[in-house]
Amino acid sequence: KNQVEQSPQSLIILEGKNCTLQCNYTVSPFSNLRWYKQDTGRGPVSLTIMTFSENTKSNGRYTATLDADTKQSSLHITASQLSDSASYICVVSARVTGGFKTIFGAGTRLFVKA
Amino acid sequence: DAMVIQNPRYQVTQFGKPVTLSCSQTLNHNVMYWYQQKSSQAPKLLFHYYDKDFNNEADTPDNFQSRRPNTSFCFLDIRSPGLGDAAMYLCATSREPPGLSYEQYFGPGTRLTVT
Repeated sequence: KNQVEQSPQSLIILEGKNCTLQCNYTVSPFSNLRWYKQDTGRGPVSLTIMTFSENTKSNGRYTATLDADTKQSSLHITASQLSDSASYICVVSARVTGGFKTIFGAGTRLFVKA
Repeated sequence: DAMVIQNPRYQVTQFGKPVTLSCSQTLNHNVMYWYQQKSSQAPKLLFHYYDKDFNNEADTPDNFQSRRPNTSFCFLDIRSPGLGDAAMYLCATSREPPGLSYEQYFGPGTRLTVT
């Protein structure tokens, strides 16, 4: 069964600290993995997209890693800021006959405190 | 500049009264999507258009319909809204389907309330 599981469900950190969010998936055949940031009441904004051959990708203070063998990804946030408070969603896509399949994780809710 | 625009941002409708949400894009993308997102849940894909081809998700209720009159606009019609349809509705676009690793752009969403 195609699934995307994220952990932790929620996380509280102090401003300036680093944190790492996890994403495990069983989607197959794998095409790409995306991390999105979603502020409360807003649409998701793409942070990174990684294909099978990529194992790391950075976007400013956000760095995503991908291990296609173990089917795990992580999103590392460096020197967190109050504005990083949001939900972070992992999305995995698979190319299937006749189209594609996209599976969303439930997200990790990050709270950054001053 | 806004690339995916959704109107209205907030919509209140009565139980059973048809409602239409709209989405427009300035990106000239081939694919437009509609998602339903309930509180503290991940977005759930309802359907998408690849150009003029409509692709419905298997578990999308018949109560939800969509129209894409041209490349720029896409509408979500809820024929008889129930209380369970209250949610944030997100429109998104991409040049090609996400299985091909193209960027997907989301609009700000329309918050639907059913009274």
